[in-house]
Amino acid sequence: KAGVTQTPRYLIKTRGQQVTLSCSPISGHRSVSWYQQTPGQGLQFLFEYFSETQRNKGNFPGRFSGRQFSNSRSEMNVSTLELGDSALYLCASSLSGQGRTSSYEQYFGPGTRLTVT
Amino acid sequence: AQSVSQHNHHVILSEAASLELGCNYSYGGTVNLFWYVQYPGQHLQLLLKYFSGDPLVKGIKGFEAEFIKSKFSFNLRKPSVQWSDTAEYFCAVQGTYKYIFGTGTRLKVLA
Repeated sequence: KAGVTQTPRYLIKTRGQQVTLSCSPISGHRSVSWYQQTPGQGLQFLFEYFSETQRNKGNFPGRFSGRQFSNSRSEMNVSTLELGDSALYLCASSLSGQGRTSSYEQYFGPGTRLTVT
Repeated sequence: AQSVSQHNHHVILSEAASLELGCNYSYGGTVNLFWYVQYPGQHLQLLLKYFSGDPLVKGIKGFEAEFIKSKFSFNLRKPSVQWSDTAEYFCAVQGTYKYIFGTGTRLKVLA
């Protein structure tokens, strides 16, 4: 079974621009979560989608948005980029994302390394 | 506020030394607990998990963790580390629909 894939793997953008990152979950997984990883901050939860609906959202400004398509693929968009948005953005998928069962185990992609200059 | 604290940010050990990484969480309600590992240049991967039952859980590569509910802790242990255990380790708590991760512990094992 193919793992979680993320594209692109690396991005360099200029402050003020916007960017769209893509995530393809493991086949059959309906939940996709996004995280921002920076040194010293660990992984910060951005949002989680399940069946095209955002079920939960972290404490990030409205410049960060996402969506999920009917095939469970997800995109994350960051508008008006700031230098502080430079980070590794991780996507994770799971079967359902709910309950106290193994269906909530998350599988991570390799991430997209975003550099804002 | 919901949070996960990992007390050690950097740990350096010699091979064969014992390892214990601390993890404490603050979260109202029932949670699932996880340890993830990120080896250099690789994806985050699940090391072990606790959902219910025996509070001592065993994971891959000889790792284990103990859930102590009264202390809100889920510490990771390994009796004898190897050079290949050099990685970053993350403790995570699963609440409703989201994970909360600790800031990570970088482990370096000297050969």
